[in-house]
Amino acid sequence: GDSVTQMEGPVTLSEEAFLTINCTYTATGYPSLFWYVQYPGEGLQLLLKATKADDKGSNKGFEATYRKETTSFHLEKGSVQVSDSAVYFCARATNTGNQFYFGTGTSLTVIP
Amino acid sequence: DAGVTQSPTHLIKTRGQQVTLRCSPISGHKSVSWYQQVLGQGPQFIFQYYEKEERGRGNFPDRFSARQFPNYSSELNVNALLLGDSALYLCASTIWGGNYNEQFFGPGTRLTVL
Repeated sequence: GDSVTQMEGPVTLSEEAFLTINCTYTATGYPSLFWYVQYPGEGLQLLLKATKADDKGSNKGFEATYRKETTSFHLEKGSVQVSDSAVYFCARATNTGNQFYFGTGTSLTVIP
Repeated sequence: DAGVTQSPTHLIKTRGQQVTLRCSPISGHKSVSWYQQVLGQGPQFIFQYYEKEERGRGNFPDRFSARQFPNYSSELNVNALLLGDSALYLCASTIWGGNYNEQFFGPGTRLTVL
C-alpha cells in the first residue's frame, strides 16, 4: 500500500557534521513530497517540499531531491547546528491531495 | 497573520467520556484536516473537510467524527474514549485546489485519557 518509510533514529551528531535522513515512499503516480520538522512541545512546521520528479526543495540549509527512479526524498544538510535538534518527518500527499502519509519521524540531536 | 489555532492546549479525560477539540484555519484557507499523533510516531490522518463536506477519512472507528462550520473552523469529536486515544491531535489547514496541497499545522491539542 501507500506508505512512507524513513530512517529510524535517534541520530546524534556533533555540530557542523553532515546530516542525511533517508526517506522512501510507495505510491502510484508522482505525489508531492514534504519534510516537516517538529520542535519539542510544538506542532509540525514545513521545512521543504518538492512537487514533481527531479525537483529540489531547500530551506535553512536543508535540501532534498525528488528521485522518482529510487522513490526517495532524502534530507541533507552540510553543517548542522545545535538549533537543528528536533524530530524530522517525511511525508507524501495523496494524488488528490486530500491527505498526507507521514513517516515515523527521525529524532536528531546535535551536540556542541 | 495568525496561523492555525487549536483549543484547548491540553485536556485530561477518563475512559468512556467524550471530548471535543476545536480548530481555526488560516484566514483564506477553506480546508481543514485532522491528524492523530501518538507519542513516538508520525501523524495519522483522521479526516479532511472542505466547504463543510467530508472529503477524506482515515482508518479510524466511528467514535471519531468531525464537522466544519461556515467560517471554515472545525471540531473533532471523540466518543467513548479509550486509553489508546491519548495522543497529540493536530489540525492542518490548506488552500484547496490544484496542486497546491501544502498543509499548515497548528500546535495541537494534547489529550490524555486516564
